[in-house]
Amino acid sequence: DVQLLESGGGLVQPGGSLRLSCTASGFTFSSFGMSWVRQAPGKGLEWVSTVSSDGGATYYADSVKGRFTVSRDSSKSTLYLQMNSLRAEDTALYYCAKRSVAGLYYFDYWGQGTLVTVSS
Amino acid sequence: EIVMTQSPATLSVSPGERATLSCRASQSIRSKLAWYQQKPGQAPRLLIYGASTGATDIPPRFSGSGSGTEFTLTISSLQSEDFAVYYCQQYNNWPLTFGGGTKVEIK
Repeated sequence: DVQLLESGGGLVQPGGSLRLSCTASGFTFSSFGMSWVRQAPGKGLEWVSTVSSDGGATYYADSVKGRFTVSRDSSKSTLYLQMNSLRAEDTALYYCAKRSVAGLYYFDYWGQGTLVTVSS
Repeated sequence: EIVMTQSPATLSVSPGERATLSCRASQSIRSKLAWYQQKPGQAPRLLIYGASTGATDIPPRFSGSGSGTEFTLTISSLQSEDFAVYYCQQYNNWPLTFGGGTKVEIK
């Protein structure tokens, strides 16, 4: 079974940094692009970032561009999100999501999320 | 950026009735549209992709239609487990964008 397990969330002060991880199992991690999608408390879904299967291409939402960096380590089947210069509006549940088998960027599997709270 | 607009924001439906949810794109996305269901405290679940293709293990009462800018998710006969929030997502262009969601609640 496909499993995605996020970790690394927590409470951080504005301007601080955090690194999220997503450990994958049950599929060939190196064959699939992976993404981060977040959900602020009581709000809808917001795509954050995507990295291609080989790590050669990355994409970011304008709201995080220049502050967040997505990466992957296929030897560890792990996706990362380095978050710097955090703001209160970055407070959200962060999900990692697997690209579809069809090669298009809709998401056929999601993790359960890790909560990031930015507050002083 | 392609803006996805869902309507209505809340839909009150009795069990066994039909529910029709709409999603509109600010420009053509061809058929590059997915629908997700999210229940409280759970991650989203893929329902439909390619605007009309059911994902694995999704009951046939869920169906999608549309292309270009106008899309519909229909739940033919609502079951108790279908009361949830539904999101559409376009994957035709970067950035990927989601609609604001439609909450389907019990009438």
